[in-house]
Amino acid sequence: AQSVTQLDSHVSVSEGTPVLLRCNYSSSYSPSLFWYVQHPNKGLQLLLKYTSAATLVKGINGFEAEFKKSETSFHLTKPSAHMSDAAEYFCVVPDNYGQNFVFGPGTRLSVLP
Amino acid sequence: DAEITQSPRHKITETGRQVTLACHQTWNHNNMFWYRQDLGHGLRLIHYSYGVHDTNKGEVSDGYSVSRSNTEDLPLTLESAASSQTSVYFCASAGQGSYNEQFFGPGTRLTVL
Repeated sequence: AQSVTQLDSHVSVSEGTPVLLRCNYSSSYSPSLFWYVQHPNKGLQLLLKYTSAATLVKGINGFEAEFKKSETSFHLTKPSAHMSDAAEYFCVVPDNYGQNFVFGPGTRLSVLP
Repeated sequence: DAEITQSPRHKITETGRQVTLACHQTWNHNNMFWYRQDLGHGLRLIHYSYGVHDTNKGEVSDGYSVSRSNTEDLPLTLESAASSQTSVYFCASAGQGSYNEQFFGPGTRLTVL
C-alpha cells in the first residue's frame, strides 16, 4: 500500500530564509505526487504536482519540489520565505488503484519576522 | 469558472439530530470525496464516489452516509449526530486517473452540542 511520511510536524523559519519541507513516500512504482497548502480556516489548494514529465516541478508562489526516485523523496523548497507562506502543507500520493489519495500528516510552517 | 462549494459553512446542532452537509461541483468530475479534519489526525476519508449511484466507505464511515444521484452533488448525512463528529468537513472532487489532482471545497465547520 502507498504511504507518505512527512518528517517534520512543525518547521519554523525566518522571513527571507529558505524553506525545506520533507516528504518521503513508499511505492512499488513511480507514482504521481502532490503538495497542497492549507492556510488557516481555508480549504486545501494545490501547490504543485509531479506526473513523471520532469523531476523538478515548479509550483505557485515560488515553491518547487524535486522527485528523487532513488531516495523515494519529494521535498518541497522555496528560496526565500514570506510571511504569507505560514500554513499547513500536505504531501499526497494516489493509492494503488490511482483513484483515492493518501495524505501525509502535514507540516505546519511558521515564518518569523 | 468551475468550482466546488460546500454549505453550510458553519453549523451547530444537537446530539441525536440528523444533519446533511452539501457539496456541489461544476468540474464535471466523476470522483468525489468527503474528509474530516481534526487536530492530531490530519485528513481522514469518510466516503467517496466514482460516479452516479456509486458510493464507498472510507476509513471513518461509521455514523455517516452519502448518496450520488447526479454528477455534481455528493451530500453527506450524519444520521444521528454525536459530539465525536464535531469537526471540519471537506469535500473534494477529481478527474479519473492518478495524475489528476483533487479540488477542495472551503469546508464546513460542524459543532455537535
